[in-house]
Amino acid sequence: EAGVAQSPRYKIIEKRQSVAFWCNPISGHATLYWYQQILGQGPKLLIQFQNNGVVDDSQLPKDRFSAERLKGVDSTLKIQPAKLEDSAVYLCASSLIGQGARAFFGQGTRLTVV
Amino acid sequence: RKEVEQDPGPFNVPEGATVAFNCTYSNSASQSFFWYRQDCRKEPKLLMSVYSSGNEDGRFTAQLNRASQYISLLIRDSKLSDSATYLCVVRVDYKLSFGAGTTVTVRA
Repeated sequence: EAGVAQSPRYKIIEKRQSVAFWCNPISGHATLYWYQQILGQGPKLLIQFQNNGVVDDSQLPKDRFSAERLKGVDSTLKIQPAKLEDSAVYLCASSLIGQGARAFFGQGTRLTVV
Repeated sequence: RKEVEQDPGPFNVPEGATVAFNCTYSNSASQSFFWYRQDCRKEPKLLMSVYSSGNEDGRFTAQLNRASQYISLLIRDSKLSDSATYLCVVRVDYKLSFGAGTTVTVRA
């Protein structure tokens, strides 16, 4: 079974530039998550989709971050404009729906803002 | 108060030793609990789910104490390959919350 696919793996940009990340979840997984993981910290949820609807974006900095999942499958996360503090690993995960559903993660995109 | 709190460690243990650590959660309505393992510069991977009665998976034992709102992970007969950061994860309804992780280093 194919896992969660993310691209690119690494990205270096200058502050105030824009960047986009892509995620393709495991086939059949209705729930898709984007997490931000800063070095030394646990993953922090940015946004969660169920199919193509947003169920939680309370921690998404909406003045600069946006995400979409138009057809309920793959998703993109965009940052515009980037700040130095956005340097982190951006992890996409997916799961089935349900209380005990476990999340499976992609390899992440390591973003460095200089 | 953070939703999920963990002792960051590090726990430095010799091969063959037993190591155990806890995680506390703040929301009494939490429904599901998991331990994830994260190797350096890698993505988190599910280690095991935690069930109310406690459960084992080989050398790993997880316990849940709902009254005190904590879960624990015990690793017996530690191997060098157990060196990693262990993330405690709690689900409330649709939301998964992660702790910051406990770092374990097993030395030869």
